[in-house]
Parts: sequence; C-alpha cells; structure tokens
Amino acid sequence: ETGVTQTPRHLVMGMTNKKSLKCEQHLGHNAMYWYKQSAKKPLELMFVYNFKEQTENNSVPSRFSPECPNSSHLFLHLHTLQPEDSALYLCASRLNTPGLAFDTGELFFGEGSRLTVL
Amino acid sequence: AQKVTQAQTEISVVEKEDVTLDCVYETRDTTYYLFWYKQPPSGELVFLIRRNSFDEQNEISGRYSWNFQKSTSSFNFTITASQVVDSAVYFCALSERDSGGYQKVTFGTGTKLQVIP
Repeated sequence: ETGVTQTPRHLVMGMTNKKSLKCEQHLGHNAMYWYKQSAKKPLELMFVYNFKEQTENNSVPSRFSPECPNSSHLFLHLHTLQPEDSALYLCASRLNTPGLAFDTGELFFGEGSRLTVL
Repeated sequence: AQKVTQAQTEISVVEKEDVTLDCVYETRDTTYYLFWYKQPPSGELVFLIRRNSFDEQNEISGRYSWNFQKSTSSFNFTITASQVVDSAVYFCALSERDSGGYQKVTFGTGTKLQVIP
C-alpha cells in the first residue's frame, strides 16, 4: 500500500457512541494532520503531530481525542458527538524539516472519513 | 495572521473553454509557500502545484498554468481547454512557519468548478 489510507470511509454514529477514525501513511513522513471539512466552510485544521508529538490543537472540543502512537499512524477518537460534528474528516501527512530555510513538503491527503452523527 | 481568499464559490464553463480560478492571500512573512489542490468527488485532495515566495516565475504544466504575482498577493490558476474530468473543487493554500518552526497550512474556501459537456 502507498499513500495515506483512512478507515472507515463512512461512519454513522449516535451521540452516545464511542468510535475511532484511523489514518495510516506509508510515505515515510514525520508529520500528520487531522482536518475537518464541513459543507461551505474552509478546511479546518484540528490537530497536528510532528515526530509523534502534538504541536497544534486548534481549539478542538474535548469530545475529539487524537492519538499518534508512531509516525505512521494517527487516530481520532470520538465520543458524545453532536450532529454539527457531521463532516468529512481528512487526514494528511507531510515531511517536515524544521530549521531548514525552505521546507518544501506538500501535504498528502487521504480520501477522508465521512462522519454522520444522528 | 495568514489568510487565503477564493472569491469564486462556483464556476460553470462549457467544455473546451478556458477558466481561471482566483486566489488572493495575506501574510506578514517573507518566506512562504503557496499550493493548489484538487478535490474530486471521491474526497481526496490531490496536490497540483507548489510555489515558494521567492519564485515568481509562472508555470505551465499541460493544460494547467499558474500566475504568481507578489505585488498583488495573488496566485491564480488557469485551465486551458477545460474537460469534464476537470470538474472538482479546487483549493488554494498558504504555508508558512509557526513559532515552533513547523509549517502551518491555511486553506481557502475552495472554488467548485463544473465543466459542462
């Protein structure tokens, strides 16, 4: 397998359920990202992990809990979600080279997990 | 703060017409990157091009071309002789370093392009 893989592709859950989204990259990247894409809204950055350490939490509610056990895997644990959390959740990875004058790595995205909260 | 504006929400063109997607950005940094991504109905964002802030050369790749102008903070994308397969949502993005030295990427709201056969 190559690229960024997200599972499941589609998820329907009730507000009291607990579920997880999984992202896996086979590109040798050291940074992984979760983005939320809602209808008619910009892509919202949720979390960033660099070298397995969380370096950004963009004021995301605690009902979303990320986990990055290693540089290749990223999870988004979901619990007690609201209907307004229904969206496409996109995972991305890139090769980050902090300290260099030019960091040219583009983001590679997965196909997303379409979440519907009932 | 960085900001990316794609004023065109939706564009419809007839196949074989040329179309230009506009992107205007704001940043206080002198070193940054600009990107264009394509999002087909399948959902995955596909990388199209990257341009750094010191390289204002326009670029052509097949039917695609990009016009980067720092004087107007714009990075416009033109598709020549559009095809139905070009129908997608196109995102412009700006990347610059945060305080920790890592790249932070901000996306525009996207332009939905529909090419009518």
